[in-house]
Amino acid sequence: GQQVMQIPQYQHVQEGEDFTTYCNSSTTLSNIQWYKQRPGGHPVFLIQLVKSGEVKKQKRLTFQFGEAKKNSSLHITATQTTDVGTYFCAGGGGSNYKLTFGKGTLLTVNP
Amino acid sequence: DADVTQTPRNRITKTGKRIMLECSQTKGHDRMYWYRQDPGLGLRLIYYSFDVKDINKGEISDGYSVSRQAQAKFSLSLESAIPNQTALYFCATSKGLGDLDTQYFGPGTRLTVL
Repeated sequence: GQQVMQIPQYQHVQEGEDFTTYCNSSTTLSNIQWYKQRPGGHPVFLIQLVKSGEVKKQKRLTFQFGEAKKNSSLHITATQTTDVGTYFCAGGGGSNYKLTFGKGTLLTVNP
Repeated sequence: DADVTQTPRNRITKTGKRIMLECSQTKGHDRMYWYRQDPGLGLRLIYYSFDVKDINKGEISDGYSVSRQAQAKFSLSLESAIPNQTALYFCATSKGLGDLDTQYFGPGTRLTVL
């Protein structure tokens, strides 16, 4: 079945540093989605990428979808304490249009 | 998301007890999902339902059962709870847009089995 690997599992940064999390799929994806879960909260949808090589930005967040549609990344520029949480990627294209979630990257930011 | 609610929010139970976690949604979505979250293991799909008459097993369905009572309600049952079912459980919904589907999560139920 489809597997989605996400690294790193944890990342601690100083406020103002950049952060990147990577996602790799064992199969070609129809789309990749990113979710954010704040501490004590629930996953919240951030963005969806569909096209090969697609890049989307949301303020300090940059999302990329690889040319082969098997990998993706989320980059945060100049992290802030409000960025703390776990970032999940989720790959589409599995059976029954289910999403396959990566295990997430927990980001902590030292002020 | 306030449109997806879960009850109870916290539950402590004993080994062998039967418990039910409930999920309700006002988003009008056809699809509903149950996930469990464990530290370091991410979100794992337990069951999913595409409509009232369509229920499917996810990757970790053993020890769980579900009921889709109506479009808006999807319940998860643990017939005989065991300690390794201690986890955070999330319900989610989606519209059913094929590959473009995105999911909306409830606030979660923290379950502890002693």
